[in-house]
Amino acid sequence: DAMVIQNPRYQVTQFGKPVTLSCSQTLNHNVMYWYQQKSSQAPKLLFHYYDKDFNNEADTPDNFQSRRPNTSFCFLDIRSPGLGDAAMYLCATSSLAGRNYEQYFGPGTRLTVT
Amino acid sequence: AQSVTQLGSHVSVSEGALVLLRCNYSSSVPPYLFWYVQYPNQGLQLLLKYTSAATLVKGINGFEAEFKKSETSFHLTKPSAHMSDAAEYFCAVSGRSNYQLIWGAGTKLIIKP
Repeated sequence: DAMVIQNPRYQVTQFGKPVTLSCSQTLNHNVMYWYQQKSSQAPKLLFHYYDKDFNNEADTPDNFQSRRPNTSFCFLDIRSPGLGDAAMYLCATSSLAGRNYEQYFGPGTRLTVT
Repeated sequence: AQSVTQLGSHVSVSEGALVLLRCNYSSSVPPYLFWYVQYPNQGLQLLLKYTSAATLVKGINGFEAEFKKSETSFHLTKPSAHMSDAAEYFCAVSGRSNYQLIWGAGTKLIIKP
């Protein structure tokens, strides 16, 4: 089945130690999103790629960066994680074909910062 | 600017009772509307979407929602709640020319036995 895959599902990192979360998709969608979700809150968009074009949200901290080496993969890098960065990180994709704005989500990576 | 309001951060219903989760949107033109469900420690799954076809939209797991332009609402209903429906539900809206989703704050649905 076509899907969005996130690895790892659970990640523990130390305060200040760089961490990378990965996302891959078999849907061949041209848009990929990274969201941060804290407990009992709505997902908060960090940035997204439309093909190779990177779009950063104005309030996304500089500590967060992303790479999209090809259509299938997208990475979230947190350069110096703080305790406040502990959250669920969700990757999503959409195709936009025929104005289909539906987003398809991966299972998420829960990040713990110790 | 578009916005989404979900009335009630928590909704509690008895098993077998009607489920009603409220969503109101603010938009200058009829938007696209979505309901997603999230189970604990999982990603979001699309329940249903409105994209200007039928105003009554049927989704998965027995849920449906009705787009009411005059009330700027897109409430989610299910005739009979099941224990497995306990989850967080998010309403989202996008513009006709803006593909990014604006999210409501979410409603946690609690099912009482």
